[in-house]
Amino acid sequence: DAGVTQSPTHLIKTRGQQVTLRCSPKSGHDTVSWYQQALGQGPQFIFQYYEEEERQRGNFPDRFSGHQFPNYSSELNVNALLLGDSALYLCASSFNTDTEAFFGQGTRLTVV
Amino acid sequence: GESVGLHLPTLSVQEGDNSIINCAYSNSASDYFIWYKQESGKGPQFIIDIRSNMDKRQGQRVTVLLNKTVKHLSLQIAATQPGDSAVYFCAEFLPNNNDMRFGAGTRLTVKP
Repeated sequence: DAGVTQSPTHLIKTRGQQVTLRCSPKSGHDTVSWYQQALGQGPQFIFQYYEEEERQRGNFPDRFSGHQFPNYSSELNVNALLLGDSALYLCASSFNTDTEAFFGQGTRLTVV
Repeated sequence: GESVGLHLPTLSVQEGDNSIINCAYSNSASDYFIWYKQESGKGPQFIIDIRSNMDKRQGQRVTVLLNKTVKHLSLQIAATQPGDSAVYFCAEFLPNNNDMRFGAGTRLTVKP
């Protein structure tokens, strides 16, 4: 049983560009949450998707958007990249209101 | 604002000793807490959780203690091993809230 998988593992983008990160949840999970983890910091909640809709959102600008597909996989899109968007982006999946979340290994995004 | 925090950014212990990692939270309404372990290059891994109606919970070699009076959470690791070296995060949930709030983390180093 595959756990949470994210792609790509590493990515380098130029300031101003747009990026799409992908996440496949753990089998049986229907809820996907995205987190941003800056170097030396704890993960910060971006948003959560359930039933293909954004259920809750953290304190992130509209440049950060997402999508959830019928198979529960999810994408995180970031527009107009800033140098400060460089971070590890983590995806976590869970089953509906279950609070135990399983994390993927993350996508390391570097903006130059 | 209220947030989750950690008392010490680093902790170094000898192999075989017990480790205690502390966490302070300031939101008295938080009703669920999780400890995560994050190794270099990996996503956070669930260790143990505790609900606010409990003050102690034990797992395999780990114990979480919750003191609601002083809003303090601790993770005890018995017979610490080199494989326990990682960054440990506590995270809190508010009732009816899908936003998991993480602290900055404590880096545990186990010396052989």
